[in-house]
Amino acid sequence: DQQVKQNSPSLSVQEGRISILNCDYTNSMFDYFLWYKKYPAEGPTFLISISSIKDKNEDGRFTVFLNKSAKHLSLHIVPSQPGDSAVYFCAASVGNNDMRFGAGTRLTVKP
Amino acid sequence: KAGVTQTPRYLIKTRGQQVTLSCSPISGHRSVSWYQQTPGQGLQFLFEYFSETQRNKGNFPGRFSGRQFSNSRSEMNVSTLELGDSALYLCASSTRTGLDEQYFGPGTRLTVT
Repeated sequence: DQQVKQNSPSLSVQEGRISILNCDYTNSMFDYFLWYKKYPAEGPTFLISISSIKDKNEDGRFTVFLNKSAKHLSLHIVPSQPGDSAVYFCAASVGNNDMRFGAGTRLTVKP
Repeated sequence: KAGVTQTPRYLIKTRGQQVTLSCSPISGHRSVSWYQQTPGQGLQFLFEYFSETQRNKGNFPGRFSGRQFSNSRSEMNVSTLELGDSALYLCASSTRTGLDEQYFGPGTRLTVT
């Protein structure tokens, strides 16, 4: 069963604007969430994480928001750059065990 | 530091055969995890090894197995291959057990015909 869902397979934004990638989960036991970025022919690259005790974590242009009541997290990229074009996976785990990934969202940032 | 390396990068096998994939983690990393990526299922966790011991296991049949050596290098074996095993197999390493902040290799593309 898909415990982590990324309902948008693709997203296109203009350079300089905000990119918002969304992720929903069903398992309320998840307590650690991560975002990975993946370029073609490369393995995923860790981007940013957040534990369930927080509702926001920021790292440069990347901010992850966690809404536990809605079982929803989002990744904001501001400002978006063409180099951000990639597939983004969200992932969740219970105590760092058996990580579950979403299906990914392909972000295209147009110059 | 060299990144995570996986060999071979591409592999074609026929149904019923078995296959062994290899992963060399970043120097100093003792945790190695394996993932399967398919278009329909996305990334799915297979198992994690830390200091030669399997620490976590995903929901895959027993045909999928792995091991880790004393130098932290890891192998993954799939026996009695099925068409549905065609996927990109990714290996990731980390300094500690648990699955956060892993560094991924480029993957091995397995095609089963």
